[in-house]
Amino acid sequence: KNEVEQSPQNLTAQEGEFITINCSYSVGISALHWLQQHPGGGIVSLFMLSSGKKKHGRLIATINIQEKHSSLHITASHPRDSAVYICAVPEYGNKLVFGAGTILRVKS
Amino acid sequence: KAGVTQTPRYLIKTRGQQVTLSCSPISGHRSVSWYQQTPGQGLQFLFEYFSETQRNKGNFPGRFSGRQFSNSRSEMNVSTLELGDSALYLCASSLVGDGQETQYFGPGTRLLVL
Repeated sequence: KNEVEQSPQNLTAQEGEFITINCSYSVGISALHWLQQHPGGGIVSLFMLSSGKKKHGRLIATINIQEKHSSLHITASHPRDSAVYICAVPEYGNKLVFGAGTILRVKS
Repeated sequence: KAGVTQTPRYLIKTRGQQVTLSCSPISGHRSVSWYQQTPGQGLQFLFEYFSETQRNKGNFPGRFSGRQFSNSRSEMNVSTLELGDSALYLCASSLVGDGQETQYFGPGTRLLVL
């Protein structure tokens, strides 16, 4: 069974700061998902990546398959980025194993 | 394209009752997965349905069951509710559910068991 660990658990940043959230997993995978959950519960899929790096607006996700590690970066953070960020890996097919999440608060 | 919809959005039940939650996936998506989210355990996979068949199952007791209809709509049922079943229940749909494609989540059903 894959174990997924995220760090930090909580993160407070000032508007404009560069933010990094880390995710490590224990067993080799085919893909890794980054999810965003706002207060109220709705979850949005930010990235699904299996190698290298992906960028969408101010968000960048990287993955190092050999080291079993992924990072999510937010450049020029904004209060609207405040949310819980969750990484997840497929254990088998669509059966995802989730990290505990990182609670991000960006202050203006 | 309409997103994933879940009904009802909120539900209050008492211990021992049963509950049925519904999920309508994005048109054309054949895989529907169900998840439970609690403050203590976080997000956990319940089960996945594809072409009306349960394809994957998480570590939940038999009180948790589901099904999928020919139009890919899915329902999950929890029988003999316990206080610990209070949670946010999310469903997500994807095209074929191979773990290497984006899953689109519904808004969730928040269940409170008293």
